[in-house]
Amino acid sequence: DTGVSQDPRHKITKRGQNVTFRCDPISEHNRLYWYRQTLGQGPEFLTYFQNEAQLEKSRLLSDRFSAERPKGSFSTLEIQRTEQGDSAMYLCASSLPPWGDTSYEQYFGPGTRLTVT
Amino acid sequence: QKEVEQDPGPLSVPEGAIVSLNCTYSNSAFQYFMWYRQYSRKGPELLMYTYSSGNKEDGRFTAQVDKSSKYISLFIRDSQPSDSATYLCATDAGGTSYGKLTFGQGTILTVHP
Repeated sequence: DTGVSQDPRHKITKRGQNVTFRCDPISEHNRLYWYRQTLGQGPEFLTYFQNEAQLEKSRLLSDRFSAERPKGSFSTLEIQRTEQGDSAMYLCASSLPPWGDTSYEQYFGPGTRLTVT
Repeated sequence: QKEVEQDPGPLSVPEGAIVSLNCTYSNSAFQYFMWYRQYSRKGPELLMYTYSSGNKEDGRFTAQVDKSSKYISLFIRDSQPSDSATYLCATDAGGTSYGKLTFGQGTILTVHP
């Protein structure tokens, strides 16, 4: 399967613990995005990478959140000192870089559902 | 006020009906408009992509964008029970924000046999 994969699919943790999620994008895609989706809401942009460079971070991404893409391939999203408000679906997407008006698609992974108890 | 507003529904229609889904947006910088379909506990799947104003048709799906009124629509003809899902509109300003999608809340659609 050559789609976007995420691991784990579901994570249950206690408040105050650290968690790390992994995303493997489609191999030829050099753009990788992280979004957060809470119940009944659309996804909200968190951050994105072009190759290994993190180009933008949302204000939603507090200093407890850190994302990396060390070799421009897979990415990790770490949440330190988790809070109950962090409970959400964390979605990863990947795409080719923009080129003029060429249509592009962000392909989403299945998401990691985080539950903080 | 959210940049993209979408009626969450839920919307329930009989099989074969024409479905109309709509969003409004406030940021005139948005240039790219998308519709995603999301099944329960799955990631969003891109259905339609439109650049600027106009219509785009793909099979049973038609997307319309009216930038003058900041209005986005998705029409589904001959709806099927397999169309039951949450439909998300999304926008992108392009330029230095290219790829940073802003989503609506999503509309829950149920097509019953």
